Amino acid sequence: DTAVSQTPKYLVTQMGNDKSIKCEQNLGHDTMYWYKQDSKKFLKIMFSYNNKELIINETVPNRFSPKSPDKAHLNLHINSLELGDSAVYFCASSQAGTPNYGYTFGSGTRLTVV
Amino acid sequence: LAKTTQPISMDSYEGQEVNITCSHNNIATNDYITWYQQFPSQGPRFIIQGYKTKVTNEVASLFIPADRKSSTLSLPRVSLSDTAVYYCLVVLYNQGGKLIFGQGTELSVKP
Repeated sequence: DTAVSQTPKYLVTQMGNDKSIKCEQNLGHDTMYWYKQDSKKFLKIMFSYNNKELIINETVPNRFSPKSPDKAHLNLHINSLELGDSAVYFCASSQAGTPNYGYTFGSGTRLTVV
Repeated sequence: LAKTTQPISMDSYEGQEVNITCSHNNIATNDYITWYQQFPSQGPRFIIQGYKTKVTNEVASLFIPADRKSSTLSLPRVSLSDTAVYYCLVVLYNQGGKLIFGQGTELSVKP
């Protein structure tokens, strides 16, 4: 009954590899996000999708490509991984018109690039 | 773009009231002030949100003065389980609900 679920929870990979992180929400929300939290605990938005349409694309390298097959899923694919990509990536969802937009975060994916 | 500033860390003891103040000098008219809580290895969790004056829920109170350039999160009678990072942020509802996080305050509650 998890509201926003991400897989995997941990991901250790070598530089240069390509990896994907999956996110699913069962809240019926129409907007989904990817946030990145670095080692200093700063959380910064990367992407936002509304009903499968990209609406926010912050200054993120082209190696990061979000994909939303439907409004309940938002996956993050990362090409040619670099050491600096090591961070915790959080998926979130929200619904306009609800209190606080009903913002709900997943539990995060800790990516370690070695 | 509204930026928030808050203390990096605070210490408290069980049973005490904790007040965390956040400054947001250039908050825009349409921005709401929101506080989130984050435990280790978990995603941020919404605590409380307000626009002005005082808001109270079952978890905390939020005090916002008339000029809205600062806000104070008040946690009554904290327990060990309140040890977490607390983020003060603004919600840009006119930008698809984008959240702008600050550095957060690491609250440590001791027995």
